[in-house]
Amino acid sequence: DGGITQSPKYLFRKEGQNVTLSCEQNLNHDAMYWYRQDPGQGLRLIYYSQIVNDFQKGDIAEGYSVSREKKESFPLTVTSAQKNPTAFYLCASSGVGVTNEKLFFGSGTQLSVL
Amino acid sequence: QKEVEQDPGPLSVPEGAIVSLNCTYSNSAFQYFMWYRQYSRKGPELLMYTYSSGNKEDGRFTAQVDKSSKYISLFIRDSQPSDSATYLCAMSRGGGADGLTFGKGTHLIIQP
Repeated sequence: DGGITQSPKYLFRKEGQNVTLSCEQNLNHDAMYWYRQDPGQGLRLIYYSQIVNDFQKGDIAEGYSVSREKKESFPLTVTSAQKNPTAFYLCASSGVGVTNEKLFFGSGTQLSVL
Repeated sequence: QKEVEQDPGPLSVPEGAIVSLNCTYSNSAFQYFMWYRQYSRKGPELLMYTYSSGNKEDGRFTAQVDKSSKYISLFIRDSQPSDSATYLCAMSRGGGADGLTFGKGTHLIIQP
């Protein structure tokens, strides 16, 4: 089945630790995105990538890093500089052209601080 | 004023009722309008996608866009308990999903 796979479903971070969230897609989409969702806050864009080996900061990039070495993969690292990392993280992808506003989302990763 | 306003609810209605969900926005440059449905602790899924003003119908769902009033709506007919979810509106100027602005979502509860 085509889709976006996020792992793990739940992740716990100790203070001062970096953690990496995985996102893989087999939709052959060029663009991929990371969003953060907090209760009552809606979705906020962290980073996005429109092509391999290139990515741009979104609205709340501080304390996060990404890489895009393969078209299918867009991992997100939550660094120790992110002081409030507890949130639900969503990865998404989209095609190009007239449908490039249509996002397809993964099932999310809940990150909590120990 | 926030770019996109959406009442967080919860909105509780009996099964079979017609549901009306709404968003208002301030940026007149928005041209693409979407509604996503999100079940608890799952990723959002695209329900409706509309360009510019007008209506679009898909089964029990109807999306309306009124650009003159900067107001969009999602109607759900013959609502079912399985429709209970959070509904997010989203909109963009065009040119890519990196320009999407989301509402905060309305939590909908359909009572059996």
